[in-house]
Amino acid sequence: AQSVAQPEDQVNVAEGNPLTVKCTYSVSGNPYLFWYVQYPNRGLQFLLKYITGDNLVKGSYGFEAEFNKSQTSFHLKKPSALVSDSALYFCAVREGYGNKLVFGAGTILRVKS
Amino acid sequence: GAGVSQTPSNKVTEKGKYVELRCDPISGHTALYWYRQSLGQGPEFLIYFQGTGAADDSGLPNDRFFAVRPEGSVSTLKIQRTERGDSAVYLCASSSGLAGGLTQYFGPGTRLTVL
Repeated sequence: AQSVAQPEDQVNVAEGNPLTVKCTYSVSGNPYLFWYVQYPNRGLQFLLKYITGDNLVKGSYGFEAEFNKSQTSFHLKKPSALVSDSALYFCAVREGYGNKLVFGAGTILRVKS
Repeated sequence: GAGVSQTPSNKVTEKGKYVELRCDPISGHTALYWYRQSLGQGPEFLIYFQGTGAADDSGLPNDRFFAVRPEGSVSTLKIQRTERGDSAVYLCASSSGLAGGLTQYFGPGTRLTVL
C-alpha cells in the first residue's frame, strides 16, 4: 500500500531564508509525487509534481522539489521564504496507473518577518 | 467555469438526516474524485469516477455513502443517516486525459457539520 510521511508538524523560518518541507513516501511501483498548498478555509492548490525525468522539479511561486529515489524522499524547497508562503503544505503520492492520491498529514509552514 | 466548484460551502445538519453535496468539475475533465478531510489530517480518498462510472469506490467508509455522476460532469455525494463522525470537509477534484490524467485540481470543499 502507498503511504506518505511528513515528519514535521510545523516548520518555522525567517523571511528571506531558505525553507525545506520534508516528505518521504512508500510505494511498490513507480511513484508520481505531488505537493499541494492549503490556505485557511480554501481548497488545495497544486504546486508541482514529479512524474519522470529530472530529479529537480520547479513549480509555482518559486517552489521546487527534489526527487531522491534511494532515500524515497521528495522534499519541497524554496531559496527565499516570503511571509505569504505561510500555509499548510501536503505531499501526496500516486502509484503508477492508480488514480487515487494518498496524502501525508500536512506540515504547517510559518514564515516570520 | 475556471475551476472546480462545490456547493454548498457549508452544511449543518442533524444526526440521522440525509445530505447531498455537489461538485461541478473543470469543463472537459473526464475524471472526478471525492476526498474527505478531517480536522488536522490530510485528505482521504473516497471515490473516483471516469466518465459516468465509478472506477474505484474503495474509500467509501460504509453503505451510508453513495455518489453519482449521471451525465459524466456534475457529481453528487450522498450521505444517509448522518452521524457526528461524518463531520469533515468534503473535497472534490477533477483531472483530464487518459487514465484520469495526472494532476488533480481541487475545489474549495464543503464543510459538513453534523450536530
